[in-house]
Amino acid sequence: SQTIHQWPATLVQPVGSPLSLECTVEGTSNPNLYWYRQAAGRGLQLLFYSVGIGQISSEVPQNLSASRPQDRQFILSSKKLLLSDSGFYLCAWRIGAPPYEQYFGPGTRLTVT
Amino acid sequence: GESVGLHLPTLSVQEGDNSIINCAYSNSASDYFIWYKQESGKGPQFIIDIRSNMDKRQGQRVTVLLNKTVKHLSLQIAATQPGDSAVYFCAETLTNDYKLSFGAGTTVTVRA
Repeated sequence: SQTIHQWPATLVQPVGSPLSLECTVEGTSNPNLYWYRQAAGRGLQLLFYSVGIGQISSEVPQNLSASRPQDRQFILSSKKLLLSDSGFYLCAWRIGAPPYEQYFGPGTRLTVT
Repeated sequence: GESVGLHLPTLSVQEGDNSIINCAYSNSASDYFIWYKQESGKGPQFIIDIRSNMDKRQGQRVTVLLNKTVKHLSLQIAATQPGDSAVYFCAETLTNDYKLSFGAGTTVTVRA
């Protein structure tokens, strides 16, 4: 069976510090991978998605970036965090063929102070 | 499209009653729809899906209804339990589209 991992689970970082969140998927090959952000009490905002190694599509221009160095690894980064980067970051995956449901990881709670 | 800036609507339900959660989707060409459940502090969990060639699909204690004429999707939960308290999101997509478009979400609170 497939599993998705995210770490860290929680993170408190000062404004201006760098960020690296990691997501890995087990039990599948060549998944589509996604990064979402969710502000408290809000819906899901798609940040990036990837259909293959080194292929990144950005949905929201901002100070975040994503990379996919390996087939089942997806990384979300920032060089300098802003207060507005605080939120709940979710990684998701899906297979490349129907059905198209996405499966979400446990999330990372980021607080920028 | 994504409703990331909206506060979530709420639904309060008595334990044991049936719940109905509604969702208006945006794209009349969407052909696949999903309901997710998100408990506090956790990632969304897949509940049930339905394709546009169906009007109704049933799962364990849940039923999804699709009305393409008015672009409306609903999730019915039978005999609501305290463990059903969560935020429920609908999502839509097109075949061959890599992305899901999520609705604003509904917060369901079950009263004992």
